[in-house]
Amino acid sequence: DGGITQSPKYLFRKEGQNVTLSCEQNLNHDAMYWYRQDPGQGLRLIYYSQIVNDFQKGDIAEGYSVSREKKESFPLTVTSAQKNPTAFYLCASSGGSNGNQPQHFGDGTRLSIL
Amino acid sequence: GEDVEQSLFLSVREGDSSVINCTYTDSSSTYLYWYKQEPGAGLQLLTYIFSNMDMKQDQRLTVLLNKKDKHLSLRIADTQTGDSAIYFCAISGGSQGNLIFGKGTKLSVKP
Repeated sequence: DGGITQSPKYLFRKEGQNVTLSCEQNLNHDAMYWYRQDPGQGLRLIYYSQIVNDFQKGDIAEGYSVSREKKESFPLTVTSAQKNPTAFYLCASSGGSNGNQPQHFGDGTRLSIL
Repeated sequence: GEDVEQSLFLSVREGDSSVINCTYTDSSSTYLYWYKQEPGAGLQLLTYIFSNMDMKQDQRLTVLLNKKDKHLSLRIADTQTGDSAIYFCAISGGSQGNLIFGKGTKLSVKP
């Protein structure tokens, strides 16, 4: 079945540590997105990529980094510069990047601080 | 910038209809979406409507769009306990080509 796979489901970060969240899709979608979800705040866009080897900052990119070396993969690194990383992280992809095609979501990664 | 507003909570009895409302500011949005999120899971696309439509029905789901008032609603007929979840309204037209999401409405269904 086609879909988006996020791993791990739960992740713990120590002080000063960088951690990487994986996102893989086999939907042949060009566009991929990372969102952060906090209780009562909805989804906030961290980074997005419309095509391989290109990505753009979203609304809350500080303390995060991404890469897009392959069409299928869009990993997110939460760096030590992100002082409040505890949240639920959602990856999405879509066949277009203008909002005229729906975004499909993975099951999320919950990141906590040790 | 663009904004999408939803009430945060809705409680209904099993078998009743649920109506979840959404208002938005960007009149240029061409597609409007409803997503469902169950606890600890990602967002599942429920349905969407194109901006030149007033209504779309899909089994127990009915989407109504009032473009003049910039108001979107999702009606769930014969609401079941399995419908308990958070429902997100989202519109196209973000400045970065992304979707703009509301904060979600938590639907609680009482038996």
